[in-house]
Amino acid sequence: DQQVKQNSPSLSVQEGRISILNCDYTNSMFDYFLWYKKYPAEGPTFLISISSIKDKNEDGRFTVFLNKSAKHLSLHIVPSQPGDSAVYFCAATQDTGANSKLTFGKGITLSVRP
Amino acid sequence: KAGVTQTPRYLIKTRGQQVTLSCSPISGHRSVSWYQQTPGQGLQFLFEYFSETQRNKGNFPGRFSGRQFSNSRSEMNVSTLELGDSALYLCASRPGTLYNEQFFGPGTRLTVL
Repeated sequence: DQQVKQNSPSLSVQEGRISILNCDYTNSMFDYFLWYKKYPAEGPTFLISISSIKDKNEDGRFTVFLNKSAKHLSLHIVPSQPGDSAVYFCAATQDTGANSKLTFGKGITLSVRP
Repeated sequence: KAGVTQTPRYLIKTRGQQVTLSCSPISGHRSVSWYQQTPGQGLQFLFEYFSETQRNKGNFPGRFSGRQFSNSRSEMNVSTLELGDSALYLCASRPGTLYNEQFFGPGTRLTVL
């Protein structure tokens, strides 16, 4: 069973506009969430994270929103740039617990058009 | 600080062979995790080592094993390779198990023929 779902496999956005990447989870034990970006032939790069005690975390152009009741989070990139074109993975974990492995979604391919 | 390094970057093996992959974590990081990435299944957790002990394991057969050395470097071994083992194998490190953010290496691309 897929505990972290990224239902849209791809997203295309115009440069300068907002990119919104969505992620849903089913395991109510998850209480810490992360976004990673991955370029071809490279490992995932950590972008931003959020704890379940918050509903928003911001870092420069990247903001993550968490809706615990809906078990939904989203990554907003504003403004989008061509260099943001990559695969974005949502990941979830139990905060520093014994099961603190990362469970990943299958990724969303973001294309930012110049 | 240097990032996570993995060797080799590319590997071609045939069915039935075994393979060993190596990972050097970021200096000072004591936890190393391994993940398998395939097009169909995405990134899946294999196991995590901390202070030379396996502390967590994913749902993979016993053909997949690993170990960690006293300098925190880790190796992953896959025995009796199958075609389905073709994947990108990623290693990730973090300072310790109280940290959630993991930092990934570039991966080893394994092709089984």
